[in-house]
Amino acid sequence: DTAVSQTPKYLVTQMGNDKSIKCEQNLGHDTMYWYKQDSKKFLKIMFSYNNKELIINETVPNRFSPKSPDKAHLNLHINSLELGDSAVYFCASSPLGAGGLNEQFFGPGTRLTVL
Amino acid sequence: RKEVEQDPGPFNVPEGATVAFNCTYSNSASQSFFWYRQDCRKEPKLLMSVYSSGNEDGRFTAQLNRASQYISLLIRDSKLSDSATYLCVVRNTGNQFYFGTGTSLTVIP
Repeated sequence: DTAVSQTPKYLVTQMGNDKSIKCEQNLGHDTMYWYKQDSKKFLKIMFSYNNKELIINETVPNRFSPKSPDKAHLNLHINSLELGDSAVYFCASSPLGAGGLNEQFFGPGTRLTVL
Repeated sequence: RKEVEQDPGPFNVPEGATVAFNCTYSNSASQSFFWYRQDCRKEPKLLMSVYSSGNEDGRFTAQLNRASQYISLLIRDSKLSDSATYLCVVRNTGNQFYFGTGTSLTVIP
C-alpha cells in the first residue's frame, strides 16, 4: 500500500494555464507539506498544513494555493503557470507530536514542465 | 543564513572507502535531526534518525553535537549502491522540517 501518493506523476502544460496536483496519505498523519525541488536539486518548503494551521513560506507566490478537503489530502493548485514553475513537486506527511523523532514520508513527486 | 548547511560535494570515492558528511544548523531550538537519502529522480527517503548520543545502523553512523549545532554521517565500507544524494534534515518546533542542499556521493568500482 502506498503511504503517500501524488497524481499526476508527470504534468506538461502551457504558460498561463491553471493546474492542480493531488496528494493523499493513508498514514493517519496530522501534518502535510508541499516542497518544490528545482533543477539545482534544493528542496524548498512551500507549505505545511495540519487541521489547525496553515504555514506558508513567504517566498511562495500567491499563485500557489494549498487546498485540504480533509486530513488525508492536501492538494496544490497553481494559477497562471510560469516557466519558472517547472520543477518536481513533492508532497510529504508527518505525525504531529511534541516529542519523538516524527520523520517525514514523501510521495513519489510530480514532475511539472511549463512550456 | 540558511537553516541547514551542507557541503554539496560531489564526493567520489572507491568501493570500500570510508566517507563522512557534515552539516550545521542555525536554530539552537531544533528538536529532531535526520539523514535522508535521495536517488536520482526519486523521492527522499529516511536513512536514519540522529539521536543525541549518536547512533549506528550497520555501516552508517550518525553523530549530533548540540553545542556546536553540527550533525555528521559516516559511511564505512562504501558500496556501489550507496551512490546517492544525502540530505541533512532538521525539525524545529511546529513540525517544520528544513533540508540541506544535499551532498552527492558516487562510489566508484
